[in-house]
Amino acid sequence: DQQVKQNSPSLSVQEGRISILNCDYTNSMFDYFLWYKKYPAEGPTFLISISSIKDKNEDGRFTVFLNKSAKHLSLHIVPSQPGDSAVYFCAASVGTSGTYKYIFGTGTRLKVLA
Amino acid sequence: NAGVTQTPKFQVLKTGQSMTLQCAQDMNHEYMSWYRQDPGMGLRLIHYSVGAGITDQGEVPNGYNVSRSTTEDFPLRLLSAAPSQTSVYFCASGGTLGTGELFFGEGSRLTVL
Repeated sequence: DQQVKQNSPSLSVQEGRISILNCDYTNSMFDYFLWYKKYPAEGPTFLISISSIKDKNEDGRFTVFLNKSAKHLSLHIVPSQPGDSAVYFCAASVGTSGTYKYIFGTGTRLKVLA
Repeated sequence: NAGVTQTPKFQVLKTGQSMTLQCAQDMNHEYMSWYRQDPGMGLRLIHYSVGAGITDQGEVPNGYNVSRSTTEDFPLRLLSAAPSQTSVYFCASGGTLGTGELFFGEGSRLTVL
């Protein structure tokens, strides 16, 4: 039962255009959402996060939008650059009784075409 | 500036063998976790820990054991390896429970024949 889903396995975008990566979740108890970027043969690296009490967070070219009623979040990259080509994972954290865990999605491979 | 260190980076096992993947972090993080990455499956949580002496199961814990005797180390044990455990394993640690970023190691590629 995948609690965090990324329904698009891959996405191609022209350099300079906007990349939009989507993520859906099922657990309404998630209280923090994060995006990670992963290059081949490396560990994932943190990009941006958002608390469940907010609907938008921006950091440079990266903006994350959260729609709690739809249980949907998206990552916008503007403008897209060839170095952004990587696999992107969304993740969510949930906590009970003083412990937390982070659940990741299946990933979307972004290819930015020069 | 080590961060999260995983060893070994590559390992080949035969079915039924046991082994331990090591993970160490030098950031004094309370939270540590293990994930496996498989094609089309993303990163799936195996086990996690919120501090020394405390561990819990994630999404796919079967076939794996963990312990957390120190803040720094979080080894993952495969008691009897199976071909289904062929995967890339990532260790991650985090300092702020639930709201902070996770820092990942470079991964350990395991092949079980």
